Amino acid sequence: GAGVSQSPSNKVTEKGKDVELRCDPISGHTALYWYRQRLGQGLEFLIYFQGNSAPDKSGLPSDRFSAERTGESVSTLTIQRTQQEDSAVYLCASSVGLAGGYGDTQYFGPGTRLTVL
Amino acid sequence: DAKTTQPNSMESNEEEPVHLPCNHSTISGTDYIHWYRQLPSQGPEYVIHGLTSNVNNRMASLAIAEDRKSSTLILHRATLRDAAVYYCILRDVSRDDKIIFGKGTRLHILP
Repeated sequence: GAGVSQSPSNKVTEKGKDVELRCDPISGHTALYWYRQRLGQGLEFLIYFQGNSAPDKSGLPSDRFSAERTGESVSTLTIQRTQQEDSAVYLCASSVGLAGGYGDTQYFGPGTRLTVL
Repeated sequence: DAKTTQPNSMESNEEEPVHLPCNHSTISGTDYIHWYRQLPSQGPEYVIHGLTSNVNNRMASLAIAEDRKSSTLILHRATLRDAAVYYCILRDVSRDDKIIFGKGTRLHILP
């Protein structure tokens, strides 16, 4: 079946512009995560959606970052007034969620590479 | 999620077995041990997970210490395609909680 998809695959923008990154999770997955990965670094947690619960936004680095999720489907990560330090690969992952029990596995998308000039 | 400790990097020869260690001394009874890997220029992918007993799948084996304070991911016969960053993660699924990745171990495979 289809995996997690993300768009665009690459995005180049100018400092100060807003960008929107999209994630389409695997159908039926209630949990969705956004991570940021700077060049040569590990994965940095940003935000976590689980079903209809309030999202865990504890990883968002500033109020310029926000994310929404429509029901249990597509999610959009928005970065306002982009800065050069926002340049990174933004990864989305989904999982079955609480129903998955102890073997809940994350499935990652290919990522969006954001470059802020 | 509880903390894990892994070596920053390791090297292995091609076609040799590789043992990737992970320490998790503060593991709780409801923490599952998960391993993911990230190949160059790709998103992470699931490798294996376990609770107490050793586990085998087509990708790897997971050996879990009797006290569960450490575990080892075993690649039985490394290939160049196994060069990646390997992440060891504890997942407490008795709670609805986010997954935090550490820095992982960068595995280099020598031809």
